[in-house]
Amino acid sequence: SFELTQDPAVSVALGQTVRITCQGDSLRVYYATWYQQKPGQAPVLLLYGKSNRPSGIPERFSGSTSGDTASLTITGAQAEDEADYYCNSRDSSGNHPWVFGGGTKVTVL
Amino acid sequence: QITLKESGPAQVQPTRTLTLTCTFSGFSLNISSVGVGWIRQPPGEALEWLAAIFWDDGKRYSPSLQGRLSITKDTSKDQVVLTMANMDPVDTGTYYCAHLDWLHNFDSWGQGTQVIVSS
Repeated sequence: SFELTQDPAVSVALGQTVRITCQGDSLRVYYATWYQQKPGQAPVLLLYGKSNRPSGIPERFSGSTSGDTASLTITGAQAEDEADYYCNSRDSSGNHPWVFGGGTKVTVL
Repeated sequence: QITLKESGPAQVQPTRTLTLTCTFSGFSLNISSVGVGWIRQPPGEALEWLAAIFWDDGKRYSPSLQGRLSITKDTSKDQVVLTMANMDPVDTGTYYCAHLDWLHNFDSWGQGTQVIVSS
C-alpha cells in the first residue's frame, strides 16, 4: 500500500528556519498538499501545488519537492506555528486519491 | 464563506452502524468539480481519509474501508451522510467532513465530531 513518511517531531528556535519532509514514491509525479493542525482544532489547508498558499496563510510557509521527497519550510518560525503538520498526496494507481502522512509535531523553542 | 458541521452520536456500540451527517453552507454540491470528503483521526494519531462524494454523485472510498462505508448527498438539504458499518473500538476518534475544491484539496473543514465505540 502507498505510504507517506514524515519525521514524528522537529523543534525550531523562535525566528529560525525549519524544514519538514514527506517521502513517498508518488511525490515523483504528484505535488504534496500540506495541512496544519493546532491542538484541539481542525486541520487547515496550508500549501498546495508547487508552493501555493491559500488566502490568509503567511508567506513564511513555502514548499518544494526533490525526487520522492516534498518539503515544507517555515522561514522565521513564530510561536503560533507550533502545531502538527500533515502532508497529503495520492497514490500513482489512483485507487487512493488522498493519503496522509503520519504527521510531524513542530515545537517552537 | 464556507462552513461545515458534523453531527451524529457521541457513542456507538461495537458491531453497530455509525451514521454521521455533514451539514454545510456557502457552496452547493450542484456546482461542477465540488465535493465533500470525510476524514477521521484516532486520539493522538494521524489523519485518515475515508470517503468523498462529488457534484456529479461520483463517489470514492478508502480501499481499506470500502466494504464498510457508504456516502450519499442530499443537495436539497445541503447535507452529506456517511455510514460506517460494523463499528469496532479501533474506530474511536474524531470524524471531520471537509469541502473539496476544484483541485481536490480539503480547503475548509468542519470542527469535527468525536465518536467513541464502546459497549
